[in-house]
Amino acid sequence: SQKIEQNSEALNIQEGKTATLTCNYTNYSPAYLQWYRQDPGRGPVFLLLIRENEKEKRKERLKVTFDTTLKQSLFHITASQPADSATYLCALGSDSSASKIIFGSGTRLSIRP
Amino acid sequence: DVKVTQSSRYLVKRTGEKVFLECVQDMDHENMFWYRQDPGLGLRLIYFSYDVKMKEKGDIPEGYSVSREKKERFSLILESASTNQTSMYLCASTPDRGLYQPQHFGDGTRLSIL
Repeated sequence: SQKIEQNSEALNIQEGKTATLTCNYTNYSPAYLQWYRQDPGRGPVFLLLIRENEKEKRKERLKVTFDTTLKQSLFHITASQPADSATYLCALGSDSSASKIIFGSGTRLSIRP
Repeated sequence: DVKVTQSSRYLVKRTGEKVFLECVQDMDHENMFWYRQDPGLGLRLIYFSYDVKMKEKGDIPEGYSVSREKKERFSLILESASTNQTSMYLCASTPDRGLYQPQHFGDGTRLSIL
């Protein structure tokens, strides 16, 4: 069955360092991958999308890579700040299921001052 | 900005009750989705709708039904609530069936079934 795995344990990073989150998947051929941020008690908020033919995407301090051979995406936050503390979800979409996507369970990131 | 509004942030109901969760979006989106989110399990799709009066089952539809009488409103119905339906419920929308569209989420309803 399709499976998406994200770091199940929380990630604790010193402010100013680069945080790297991992999303691995099996039994799936995604056309694209999305990353969302979720704060406690709130719904997820879309951050970035990367297509299967793209290797890397950047937006301000965020960078996403997508390796379809390794079946893995890496999500980087450079110059991390305490305000970046949240849970980050990856989600995969295929070209056969329109706008329906499947989510990983998320990684909780804590940035300490 | 797209706004997706869920009618209740917190809800407490009893086993066997019929429960309605309401979701409204204000951007004329065609697609709407209902998920539940549980620790360690991520978001799981319950039902989705591509148009008014249309619905399709997601991955975990058992024990739920939905209603979409108007384009902006998508309701999730627990016909006879059970304790294993205690969860965070999230509604989302996208403009249409095209690829590469981000989902716009409401802030969720935390439902407790006693």
